[in-house]
Amino acid sequence: DAGVIQSPRHEVTEMGQEVTLRCKPISGHNSLFWYRQTMMRGLELLIYFNNNVPIDDSGMPEDRFSAKMPNASFSTLKIQPSEPRDSAVYFCASSPGTGYTFGSGTRLTVV
Amino acid sequence: RKEVEQDPGPFNVPEGATVAFNCTYSNSASQSFFWYRQDCRKEPKLLMSVYSSGNEDGRFTAQLNRASQYISLLIRDSKLSDSATYLCVVRYSGAGSYQLTFGKGTKLSVIP
Repeated sequence: DAGVIQSPRHEVTEMGQEVTLRCKPISGHNSLFWYRQTMMRGLELLIYFNNNVPIDDSGMPEDRFSAKMPNASFSTLKIQPSEPRDSAVYFCASSPGTGYTFGSGTRLTVV
Repeated sequence: RKEVEQDPGPFNVPEGATVAFNCTYSNSASQSFFWYRQDCRKEPKLLMSVYSSGNEDGRFTAQLNRASQYISLLIRDSKLSDSATYLCVVRYSGAGSYQLTFGKGTKLSVIP
């Protein structure tokens, strides 16, 4: 199994631009999680899906952030417009019900 | 107050030393507990689960005290390869959903 696949690995964008992060979970995993990691705040849960349905999006910082999971094999996290304070590593993780597997993350820099 | 608190470190220890990390959690409804390891610029990976009776995996021993809402990780005979950040993780379930809450991590550097 290829594990959880995230793209891009690195993204540098200018303030105000739209950013889309992508995630392919492990096949058969029915839960998908988006986390953000910064030095100051550590790993924070943004949103999670169960069977493609958003269950808890209380961690999404503001309306500039949105996430979708159109099918069991793909999810996106979109930031529009992006701001410098959004700079962080964004991790996607999937789970079959117990245990998480994380992707390698997307390192986002907004300048 | 953050739900899962850890000493950020860094802990700098010589090879062969024994080192212990502590963690406290605030949600008494928490049901499962884990230690994850995160190497520099990598993703977190599960190190071990923590059971109420305490459990051991080679040089690693994890313990849980539900009454005090306290979790610990002990590493014996430290190796250079143990250098990483160790994340204390708590899972709770409710209303048909569950999620993992991560501490900010304790950084360990094992020195030759």
